[in-house]
Amino acid sequence: GNSVTQMEGPVTLSEEAFLTINCTYTATGYPSLFWYVQYPGEGLQLLLKATKADDKGSNKGFEATYRKETTSFHLEKGSVQVSDSAVYFCALSDRGYNKLIFGAGTRLAVHP
Amino acid sequence: DTAVSQTPKYLVTQMGNDKSIKCEQNLGHDTMYWYKQDSKKFLKIMFSYNNKELIINETVPNRFSPKSPDKAHLNLHINSLELGDSAVYFCASSQDLRTGGEQYFGPGTRLTVT
Repeated sequence: GNSVTQMEGPVTLSEEAFLTINCTYTATGYPSLFWYVQYPGEGLQLLLKATKADDKGSNKGFEATYRKETTSFHLEKGSVQVSDSAVYFCALSDRGYNKLIFGAGTRLAVHP
Repeated sequence: DTAVSQTPKYLVTQMGNDKSIKCEQNLGHDTMYWYKQDSKKFLKIMFSYNNKELIINETVPNRFSPKSPDKAHLNLHINSLELGDSAVYFCASSQDLRTGGEQYFGPGTRLTVT
C-alpha cells in the first residue's frame, strides 16, 4: 500500500542554519504530496504542497520539489528561525478520496 | 473566526465509559475527516464523510461511531473506552474529495483514558 517515510528526529539546529528534512514515498499512480507543520499544542497547518512531478511547493521560505524519479519530497529552508521549531509531517494524498497518509513526523528544534 | 473547532479540548475519563467529541467547520466544505494521533505523534485517518455520507472507514473498531448531522458537523462517539484509545483526535475538513485538496485541521481533543 501507499506509505511515507521521513527522517527521524529530533533535528536540532542553530538559528540561520540550513534545514533539510528528507521524505520519500511509495505509491501506485501519482499522488499529491504535502508538508504539514504542527506547532506545540496546536493542530496541523498546511505548509506547502505539490500535485505533480517536478512541481515545487514553497511557503514562508520553505521549499520542496516533487521528484518522481527518486520518489522524494524533501523539505528545505535556507535559514531557520527559532519560530520554526515544530513537528513537520510529510504526507501524500491517496487518489480518489483525498485521504492523507502521513509520515511519522520530524521534530525540529531551533536554538538562538 | 475559528475555521474548524472541536469540543472538548481535553477529555479525561475512565475505562468503560462512553464519550463524544464534537467538530464543526464554518468553511462551507463538503468533506470532513477524523484522524488519530498517538503518543509518538503518528497520525492515521479514521473516517471521512462527504456531504454527510461515510466515504472512508479505516478498520476502526466499531466502538467508534462517527455521525454527521449536516455538512458542517462531524461528531465522534466512542463506546466502552479502553486505555489504548488515549490519543489526540483531530477533525479536519476539505472543500471536496478531490485529491490534492488542502485539509484544514482543528486544534485537537486530547483524550486520556484511566
